[in-house]
Amino acid sequence: DGGITQSPKYLFRKEGQNVTLSCEQNLNHDAMYWYRQDPGQGLRLIYYSQIVNDFQKGDIAEGYSVSREKKESFPLTVTSAQKNPTAFYLCATTMDRGRGEQFFGPGTRLTVL
Amino acid sequence: GENVEQHPSTLSVQEGDSAVIKCTYSDSASNYFPWYKQELGKGPQLIIDIRSNVGEKKDQRIAVTLNKTAKHFSLHITETQPEDSAVYFCAASVQGGKLIFGQGTELSVKP
Repeated sequence: DGGITQSPKYLFRKEGQNVTLSCEQNLNHDAMYWYRQDPGQGLRLIYYSQIVNDFQKGDIAEGYSVSREKKESFPLTVTSAQKNPTAFYLCATTMDRGRGEQFFGPGTRLTVL
Repeated sequence: GENVEQHPSTLSVQEGDSAVIKCTYSDSASNYFPWYKQELGKGPQLIIDIRSNVGEKKDQRIAVTLNKTAKHFSLHITETQPEDSAVYFCAASVQGGKLIFGQGTELSVKP
């Protein structure tokens, strides 16, 4: 995860507030992904982007939004519409528009108070 | 829909023994199968992967086998060490450049 940075590592939010999680990469990878991980469960895809200015919904996109204005950055906003946002959020990248290995960042743990 | 089943959910072995984790997938078009190791509070790390044109791949103590006919693939860790203790995830590629992940296996290696 040396070339993928997620910030902050821990994030606390009050109910009803929007919050944005940062994901930056210096690997020059085309594709970027956001996953959510809950205890005892696998990774579930929220949104992904294979190219700048384009992104697609994953399996659990409701209550989340993203943007991809730069190749290096893929921020995720958790909106107040997300009913159960407390989770571990992981960002990943792939070099070749999704046809290669996915590399993960260190994650952000979001807790709703 | 697309699905990956992973078993067992927990696995406890003695140091030096072998560990095997098995996955099945549903999408016959899947052609890339990575395995990840995740330590507590960290992001998953790719440890080995296999593509559909080979049946087995080995890297030191770790090996992966693939049976495309049965839609099965497995991770084998030999001579386990305490530092192998972690959660392991399998995944399978699906259309659109995405991966579908299994539910994870918590491996505990007892000294």
